[in-house]
Amino acid sequence: AQTVTQSQPEMSVQEAETVTLSCTYDTSESDYYLFWYKQPPSRQMILVIRQEAYKQQNATENRFSVNFQKAAKSFSLKISDSQLGDAAMYFCAYRSALASYYGGSQGNLIFGKGTKLSVKP
Amino acid sequence: DAGITQSPRYKITETGRQVTLMCHQTWSHSYMFWYRQDLGHGLRLIYYSAAADITDKGEVPDGYVVSRSKTENFPLTLESATRSQTSVYFCASSGRLETQYFGPGTRLLVL
Repeated sequence: AQTVTQSQPEMSVQEAETVTLSCTYDTSESDYYLFWYKQPPSRQMILVIRQEAYKQQNATENRFSVNFQKAAKSFSLKISDSQLGDAAMYFCAYRSALASYYGGSQGNLIFGKGTKLSVKP
Repeated sequence: DAGITQSPRYKITETGRQVTLMCHQTWSHSYMFWYRQDLGHGLRLIYYSAAADITDKGEVPDGYVVSRSKTENFPLTLESATRSQTSVYFCASSGRLETQYFGPGTRLLVL
């Protein structure tokens, strides 16, 4: 079974600086997707970034980028020029690419337990 | 363009009562999911559905029932609510291999 581990329960960053959130995962599959979701105090789950395992190029979305190391099974999130609005819980998640149309659990997301990010003004 | 909605957003109920949480999506996504979020556990999958009339258990299904007669709706029923079911419940949907998009959540308190 796949697992996702976020080893940093809490992180803190100064406004305008850069912070990196760590995520490691365990899988025997070669084709999968990785995600970072943000959950602000409103509790809404917001997709931050997505990475396909078959792509070597690291995904980027404005100030958010990932460092995807497939061999090491590592998927860290870098937030540049941190803003007060970035303060939230961040969840790393894994999804198999082997989703079956007629059932099967491969389409499910497997989440880490989250990292709480604080941004200091 | 409503996307994915959940109702009610907040619910207080008593132990032993039946409660139904509603989820509706407008994207015609084939996959739908129910998660619960508790401190120290992150999000855990309760049930999921790959298509209308196809549902299956997730990690923590006990005490819950789902149905999916229409693609756009995926209600979650607590047959006899217990205090341990106090949680925040999220519904999500996705295409076959695409990103899951989440509803705003339902906060349920069981007294």
